[in-house]
Amino acid sequence: DTAVSQTPKYLVTQMGNDKSIKCEQNLGHDTMYWYKQDSKKFLKIMFSYNNKELIINETVPNRFSPKSPDKAHLNLHINSLELGDSAVYFCASSYRRTLNTGELFFGEGSRLTVL
Amino acid sequence: GIQVEQSPPDLILQEGANSTLRCNFSDSVNNLQWFHQNPWGQLINLFYIPSGTKQNGRLSATTVATERYSLLYISSSQTTDSGVYFCAVEVGGGADGLTFGKGTHLIIQP
Repeated sequence: DTAVSQTPKYLVTQMGNDKSIKCEQNLGHDTMYWYKQDSKKFLKIMFSYNNKELIINETVPNRFSPKSPDKAHLNLHINSLELGDSAVYFCASSYRRTLNTGELFFGEGSRLTVL
Repeated sequence: GIQVEQSPPDLILQEGANSTLRCNFSDSVNNLQWFHQNPWGQLINLFYIPSGTKQNGRLSATTVATERYSLLYISSSQTTDSGVYFCAVEVGGGADGLTFGKGTHLIIQP
């Protein structure tokens, strides 16, 4: 059974389009995240939701909008895609400990290519 | 924010060799994790180790929190150990989540 699953694995789209990536976890975790990995493999947190509540919102363009319908799901919607949005987007989840993230588990990533 | 430096940036070894990867960080942390990103891009959680020593098979890790560094040891390397190893840390409070280092790119040659 896949613990953290994201779909689609690959997206190829034109500039200006809107796209969504879905994420689901079956680990019973209470916190979910979106990370972006750029072409140099640098990983940076974008958002974090704890029990459907936004708790981390790094400086990302407001074209990126996360949505968490329940604590097992966290989706990422991107409007008006730009070339610089091309990257691999990772969903992750954890059981949040007191004052820290806890152990983080990642999905397989969604590679977004904007043409 | 906290700075995370990993060394070496690149490492090429023959199968069977041992290696030590280092992670230095600039502030006190209450969370430190090691991840392996395999050549297919999957990120795998290796250790949750804010302090102390842990072992899992051929891999072990040690974090000396007071001196702000962690070490990942890989013994008897196999080609499947190839990939990028990331260290990630978090300062107290967890308001910013995990901050990742730039990784060590390890290639194990047969």
